[in-house]
Amino acid sequence: EDQVTQSPEALRLQEGESSSLNCSYTVSGLRGLFWYRQDPGKGPEFLFTLYSAGEEKEKERLKATLTKKESFLHITAPKPEDSATYLCAVQATGDSGGSNYKLTFGKGTLLTVNP
Amino acid sequence: NAGVTQTPKFRILKIGQSMTLQCAQDMNHNYMYWYRQDPGMGLKLIYYSVGAGITDKGEVPNGYNVSRSTTEDFPLRLELAAPSQTSVYFCASTDFLVPYGYTFGSGTRLTVV
Repeated sequence: EDQVTQSPEALRLQEGESSSLNCSYTVSGLRGLFWYRQDPGKGPEFLFTLYSAGEEKEKERLKATLTKKESFLHITAPKPEDSATYLCAVQATGDSGGSNYKLTFGKGTLLTVNP
Repeated sequence: NAGVTQTPKFRILKIGQSMTLQCAQDMNHNYMYWYRQDPGMGLKLIYYSVGAGITDKGEVPNGYNVSRSTTEDFPLRLELAAPSQTSVYFCASTDFLVPYGYTFGSGTRLTVV
């Protein structure tokens, strides 16, 4: 069974204080790892997809990295507008058919950035 | 570009009532999903569909039903609502031909009293 564990559950930072969120995963074979941002009362919004160990993606103050067992979302000099819940999800290779096309989500990390 | 549209946004049901949560997408995606999100529990898959006429159960299907008669629409039916179905429901779609995973709707907040 595919599993995704995110840590910490909640993180409070001061504006400008860099940190990292962790996503550990267990899958039979990884097709892709996804990061989403979710604001209160809204649906998750896509941030990054990572496909293979060693891959990195960047967007503004965010950088996502991937190893064979975990992914990190690094936040550099965060601003209050970065406050949100960050979700990690994996897509497994699995067998042929529909089971390839489901994402398994972690519980998320609630990030709060204080001014 | 509307993306994924969910209706209603909010609903209060009494125990034993039934309702249908609507989901429509205009991106011609084959794959559509229903998740529920409870505080501290993450997103749990209820049902999914890989194309019109094809649906399958996810992790938590009990108490729900779905149908997929068109590519665009994927309604979720709640029969005999129970307090345990109080949650936020998200519909999502994808074709996985572009590397962005799912496109989510804005959610339906359902309370069963």
